[in-house]
Amino acid sequence: DSGVTQTPKHLITATGQRVTLRCSPRSGDLSVYWYQQSLDQGLQFLIQYYNGEERAKGNILERFSAQQFPDLHSELNLSSLELGDSALYFCASSGADGYNEQFFGPGTRLTVL
Amino acid sequence: GESVGLHLPTLSVQEGDNSIINCAYSNSASDYFIWYKQESGKGPQFIIDIRSNMDKRQGQRVTVLLNKTVKHLSLQIAATQPGDSAVYFCAEKEGGKLIFGQGTELSVKP
Repeated sequence: DSGVTQTPKHLITATGQRVTLRCSPRSGDLSVYWYQQSLDQGLQFLIQYYNGEERAKGNILERFSAQQFPDLHSELNLSSLELGDSALYFCASSGADGYNEQFFGPGTRLTVL
Repeated sequence: GESVGLHLPTLSVQEGDNSIINCAYSNSASDYFIWYKQESGKGPQFIIDIRSNMDKRQGQRVTVLLNKTVKHLSLQIAATQPGDSAVYFCAEKEGGKLIFGQGTELSVKP
């Protein structure tokens, strides 16, 4: 157990819908990262927040957004869902913003029908 | 690991043998590298890391080698065990983000 929690574990929804994925980092970790693992793209970095502020952005679609709250938990919002958004979404946390190990949560499996 | 549509390279070894998993990275400016292990149905798990000012780093049963000249990273697992069966990813730190390789599936035969 990495100490990072993600909810829900599974999510099934329809195209065009909007969902919110939630992540609680390890106690004391200030950085939260979101990744997408799909069947054809592998593990892709989406976005990083550090102490509430966006720190780095990767291959995140405009239909996706994220935020980190004062209690350091983070949410990833996915809207206007398409079939191709079906994937595993992982959250990771680390203690700082530099050369630190990232601890991954168990992931949320999103299925868009 | 999770079955993916990507055609992952596969390494099959006998229990007790040493395993070597290779990775080529893309950015010569990357200064931090990590190896992760992903078991089926789980998130990636940190194995070992190395900074670019080092050529070699050892952990418990694992060794990472970094060759910056040819932008190559390898993970050596000594005395491979059935519990080592998983998908292994290398990752390079580029700015604030980790760029992951496609992964190698390690299969350990008892």
